[in-house]
Amino acid sequence: EVQLVESGGGLVKPGGSLRLSCAGSGFTFSNVWMSWVRQAPGKGLEWVGRIKSKSDGETADYTAPVNGRFTISRDDSKNTLYLQMNSLKTEDTAVYYCTTIKYWGQGTLVTVSS
Amino acid sequence: DIQMTQSPSSLSASVGDRVTITCRASQGIRNDLGWYQQKPGKAPKRLIYAASSLQSGVPSRFSGSGSGTEFTLTISSLQPEDFATYYCLQQNSFPPTFGQGTKVEIK
Repeated sequence: EVQLVESGGGLVKPGGSLRLSCAGSGFTFSNVWMSWVRQAPGKGLEWVGRIKSKSDGETADYTAPVNGRFTISRDDSKNTLYLQMNSLKTEDTAVYYCTTIKYWGQGTLVTVSS
Repeated sequence: DIQMTQSPSSLSASVGDRVTITCRASQGIRNDLGWYQQKPGKAPKRLIYAASSLQSGVPSRFSGSGSGTEFTLTISSLQPEDFATYYCLQQNSFPPTFGQGTKVEIK
């Protein structure tokens, strides 16, 4: 059974940093491009970014609102995806999901507030 | 970025009704489109991929069609468990973009 389990969410002040993790199991993690998608309270889904597999270069791409502030990385030895979020803004408040596109984690809530 | 315009934004329907949701892309995306169902407090679940391929385990009352810029999700006979919000997602070019969602409510 495929599982994606996010962790690391919480309350952070504007300008602060947070690192999210996503542990994958039940599939060959190293072969899969992984992504982060977020959903602000009561709003729709928004793509954050993705990281390719190592065999495809392990490069990461980001949407404009987070480019330069967020960094996606992966540790295939631990089957874990990361999202490092810096210079957080109130508008980054959302549930953050990791996803293979087909499979999704349950999400972790990030609240940016003073 | 490719804009995905989804309609309607909400609809009310009864159990047994046929429901159709549309997504229009701002430029051609071939068949690089998926449909997702999301229930309150839950993660999205993929129903359809490649515009018309049914995800394994998804009931056959769900179907997708379209190519290029116009796509539809059809629920042939709405069931109580289908009341949810539905999103389309294009993956033809980066960044992937979602439609704004269609909330299907009980009439």
